[in-house]
Amino acid sequence: AQRVTQPEKLLSVFKGAPVELKCNYSYSGSPELFWYVQYSRQRLQLLLRHISRESIKGFTADLNKGETSFHLKKPFAQEEDSAMYYCALGRGTALIFGKGTTLSVSS
Amino acid sequence: DVKVTQSSRYLVKRTGEKVFLECVQDMDHENMFWYRQDPGLGLRLIYFSYDVKMKEKGDIPEGYSVSREKKERFSLILESASTNQTSMYLCASSPASSSYNSPLHFGNGTRLTVT
Repeated sequence: AQRVTQPEKLLSVFKGAPVELKCNYSYSGSPELFWYVQYSRQRLQLLLRHISRESIKGFTADLNKGETSFHLKKPFAQEEDSAMYYCALGRGTALIFGKGTTLSVSS
Repeated sequence: DVKVTQSSRYLVKRTGEKVFLECVQDMDHENMFWYRQDPGLGLRLIYFSYDVKMKEKGDIPEGYSVSREKKERFSLILESASTNQTSMYLCASSPASSSYNSPLHFGNGTRLTVT
């Protein structure tokens, strides 16, 4: 069955430290993967998708089919990165989401 | 810019009431979705629709139904509200695509409390 696992509920880092939010998936075909972000009091919004292979707000994510992972990385965290992050996997028309990781960046 | 509008930001209903959550999108998207968002559980898909009058069950459809009479509007119905349906409900839309998953555009959410 298709599944998305985000093993960390909370990740706390200091400003300027590297960040890695983990995401593992279970999918038999060719996966389509996304990262969504929800800042405080804002709607959930797309951060990036693997087919675009782009960097958004300094974040990147590489699909590793061997490890079935799609970890989100940023070399230097900023306080404004504090938010809830969700990894999502395409399943037919819909997306299925992981349980989310709260990123807290403090000075 | 895509706009997905959920008619209510907060709702308080009593156990056993029939509850309607409304969602409208203005970008002529074919696909519309209802998720619920709970702390520690993430987003779970309730129902989705890929065309007018078409619907598909998601992962947790029990206790819910949906209606899509017009392309821009997708309603979630709680037939008889229960306290375990207290949650944040998120509506989303996306354009149809035959080759890849389109990103979802979300509304602001409706926080429903059932007492």
